[in-house]
Amino acid sequence: GAVVSQHPSRVICKSGTSVKIECRSLDFQATTMFWYRQFPKQSLMLMATSNEGSKATYEQGVEKDKFLINHASLTLSTLTVTSAHPEDSSFYICSARVLPQTGSSSDIQYFGAGTRLSVL
Amino acid sequence: KQEVTQIPAALSVPEGENLVLNCSFTDSAIYNLQWFRQDPGKGLTSLLLIQSSQREQTSGRLNASLDKSSGRSTLYIAASQPGDSATYLCAVRGTDKLIFGTGTRLQVFP
Repeated sequence: GAVVSQHPSRVICKSGTSVKIECRSLDFQATTMFWYRQFPKQSLMLMATSNEGSKATYEQGVEKDKFLINHASLTLSTLTVTSAHPEDSSFYICSARVLPQTGSSSDIQYFGAGTRLSVL
Repeated sequence: KQEVTQIPAALSVPEGENLVLNCSFTDSAIYNLQWFRQDPGKGLTSLLLIQSSQREQTSGRLNASLDKSSGRSTLYIAASQPGDSATYLCAVRGTDKLIFGTGTRLQVFP
């Protein structure tokens, strides 16, 4: 199946620094990538949808200036947490959408392994 | 707005039991429904994908059913094993988003 690589898997940083998380589709082109956030023992919450070559669409309540998303190529999307604070500590997961094959009724999303961000 | 709820929130059973995990969604206009497994601190593993036109999908000891009109899906796990311990998430796909349920934390003890 399709592989989505997310890096780094874990990052610890000081408050006020910026952190960049990369999400790559290794063996397919992803016109659309998604970024999710997951707090402990909670479900995944969609943060934003990014389409290659255009601005990301953010969900309600997500600060676009805090969470910068870039989708410059069909295989790479990045999420930058700017001026991170302890409340930004969370598990971030990216996902890439594969367009439907002939005969398939809908597309499929593949997920990265996630990045655990801890802000001290 | 689509809302996805999973019941129970947590489940602890002895190995060998057959289990049913429930997922309900408020908007029946979906393209597909997917069940995932998530181990602690890890990403998601896709278990089963059911297209909106399908009623069920099976993979090994897992069987997922979909009743789109009533907004429900169930994941059936046969002969549970300790290795099945994880959080199980269902997610429904609308026009452009995958919305996740609240999850069921499963523990299977020897």
